[in-house]
Amino acid sequence: DAGITQSPRHKVTETGTPVTLRCHQTENHRYMYWYRQDPGHGLRLIHYSYGVKDTDKGEVSDGYSVSRSKTEDFLLTLESATSSQTSVYFCAISAPGRIPDEQYFGPGTRLTVT
Amino acid sequence: QQQVKQSPQSLIVQKGGISIINCAYENTAFDYFPWYQQFPGKGPALLIAIRPDVSEKKEGRFTISFNKSAKQFSLHIMDSQPGDSATYFCAAREGSSNTGKLIFGQGTTLQVKP
Repeated sequence: DAGITQSPRHKVTETGTPVTLRCHQTENHRYMYWYRQDPGHGLRLIHYSYGVKDTDKGEVSDGYSVSRSKTEDFLLTLESATSSQTSVYFCAISAPGRIPDEQYFGPGTRLTVT
Repeated sequence: QQQVKQSPQSLIVQKGGISIINCAYENTAFDYFPWYQQFPGKGPALLIAIRPDVSEKKEGRFTISFNKSAKQFSLHIMDSQPGDSATYFCAAREGSSNTGKLIFGQGTTLQVKP
């Protein structure tokens, strides 16, 4: 998995509680991404980061925030989890280059919001 | 709106047959088209990718055919094997952005019967 770990791998939480998912890379790559995967929708970008403290929104960012205080860690926070955020979340990193090219994905976190 | 449309949603092929998955896009600014393979419980893995300056790229049993004028590209899996049973995603990257963001198709679940 290209030196990418995600934690936790599985989580069940209740509606309204905050949840933080962690992505850790050992590759020292600049670009990191958070996606969610849902049946019929493929993978959709939530947020991405192009450097420490540099982040931007993706296509489905509502209800999510991110932080990146170190190159190797990219955190995804659900401020107040809702049932619609039940999904599988994947972190990805891009190979270095002038324009990020290949993306490598972590093993995923399965989140269930009850 | 779905910028990358993938079909079929599911596909069943006999061992030794040819699997074909199609994708269509609208944004002419897309400049990089990867295909990802995902096994159950795993993250997507880059399989093969193409840029629009070539019409075909082959790697082993996997071939991407690219039709720039029709804004379509497809994945062909020759001599399909049961081990190819997985979910396949096409994707596209907008070259005018230097963020490497990918837009994914909805995914195709392939089953290769022995």
